[in-house]
Amino acid sequence: AAGVIQSPRHLIKEKRETATLKCYPIPRHDTVYWYQQGPGQDPQFLISFYEKMQSDKGSIPDRFSAQQFSDYHSELNMSSLELGDSALYFCASSLSDRGEWTEAFFGQGTRLTVV
Amino acid sequence: SQQGEEDPQALSIQEGENATMNCSYKTSINNLQWYRQNSGRGLVHLILIRSNEREKHSGRLRVTLDTSKKSSSLLITASRAADTASYFCATLTSGTYKYIFGTGTRLKVLA
Repeated sequence: AAGVIQSPRHLIKEKRETATLKCYPIPRHDTVYWYQQGPGQDPQFLISFYEKMQSDKGSIPDRFSAQQFSDYHSELNMSSLELGDSALYFCASSLSDRGEWTEAFFGQGTRLTVV
Repeated sequence: SQQGEEDPQALSIQEGENATMNCSYKTSINNLQWYRQNSGRGLVHLILIRSNEREKHSGRLRVTLDTSKKSSSLLITASRAADTASYFCATLTSGTYKYIFGTGTRLKVLA
């Protein structure tokens, strides 16, 4: 079965550079979520999209932005990178069905290292 | 944690024993899901329980949900060394499109 695909798997950037992370949700899933997980931390919610519209925002810095495209893939753009942005970034997707949500499946994540 | 705590934070047991992890949350929820994560790897979905359900089973996993106490528990029976991982609960807050994670339980199963 198709899973959530994230790319790239690993990314190394220098301080003040820009990074773009991509997420391809499971086909027919209508909701995409982005999370940041620092070393030894629990995943922190960043932002979500429902039917290509931004739905909720969490602890997402102003330097970050995200969008979901017409083909439902999503991108997380991160500018002016700081050392503290080094983390695992996860994308997840789920399907809402008459007010009930199915399982939220996560991608393998993108490990971002800022040097 | 943005939502609540998991208890215990770390658990070490022998193979064949049962492991119980608890999760508390703060808001009204639509559903609660449990995930497993091996060190530095992806989040593997284990089980979903909806707010109107009280118990669910999947193989060696048993999940309970008590919405009056805003808590859930995950029981892994007959544990194996391969169950060694961190376990997280994540709650979908009612009326939102965001899952909030608990702090996780690090389970170590000794062979």
